[in-house]
Amino acid sequence: TQLLEQSPQFLSIQEGENLTVYCNSSSVFSSLQWYRQEPGEGPVLLVTVVTGGEVKKLKRLTFQFGDARKDSSLHITAAQPGDTGLYLCAGASRGGADGLTFGKGTHLIIQP
Amino acid sequence: DAGVTQSPTHLIKTRGQQVTLRCSPKSGHDTVSWYQQALGQGPQFIFQYYEEEERQRGNFPDRFSGHQFPNYSSELNVNALLLGDSALYLCASSYPGTHQYFGPGTRLTVT
Repeated sequence: TQLLEQSPQFLSIQEGENLTVYCNSSSVFSSLQWYRQEPGEGPVLLVTVVTGGEVKKLKRLTFQFGDARKDSSLHITAAQPGDTGLYLCAGASRGGADGLTFGKGTHLIIQP
Repeated sequence: DAGVTQSPTHLIKTRGQQVTLRCSPKSGHDTVSWYQQALGQGPQFIFQYYEEEERQRGNFPDRFSGHQFPNYSSELNVNALLLGDSALYLCASSYPGTHQYFGPGTRLTVT
């Protein structure tokens, strides 16, 4: 069974601070996806990383895929209250066509 | 272009009852996946439908069944409901080469 462990589970920081969220697995995935979910809504895709060592930037968010394609990180610079939400990583075994394996998520609160 | 839609939004059922949840995929998508998200947890994959057939299944008992219609819409059926089935049920649609787009979910409460 493939598992994804996310850490930390909860994070509450002040506006303007930086943070990093981690997603680790003992299994190799063909790709890793990061989602953000707000209360009462479904997850919304932020980014997909496919190549080991890949780094992708989305404004203040930086995503990295480990060289062995087993782990990933999400770094947020100068966090804003609008970044508050549940951040989920999900592994895909076959190009995203199959069912995704999700981590438990990181609940992030950015206080003004 | 409408995204993935799900109905109903909320549902309350009693233990032992049966429930049917519905999903309409995003326009142009032919694959539908269902996930269960317990409170405070990440989504767990239930199964995926493609061309009206169950193509892949997660670790869920056969109380959970589904169907896909010729127009690609889908239903999730759960029989003999347990308290532990209370969760947000998410539907996601996709097309070969695209990622999965999620609907807003159906919140099921079993009392």
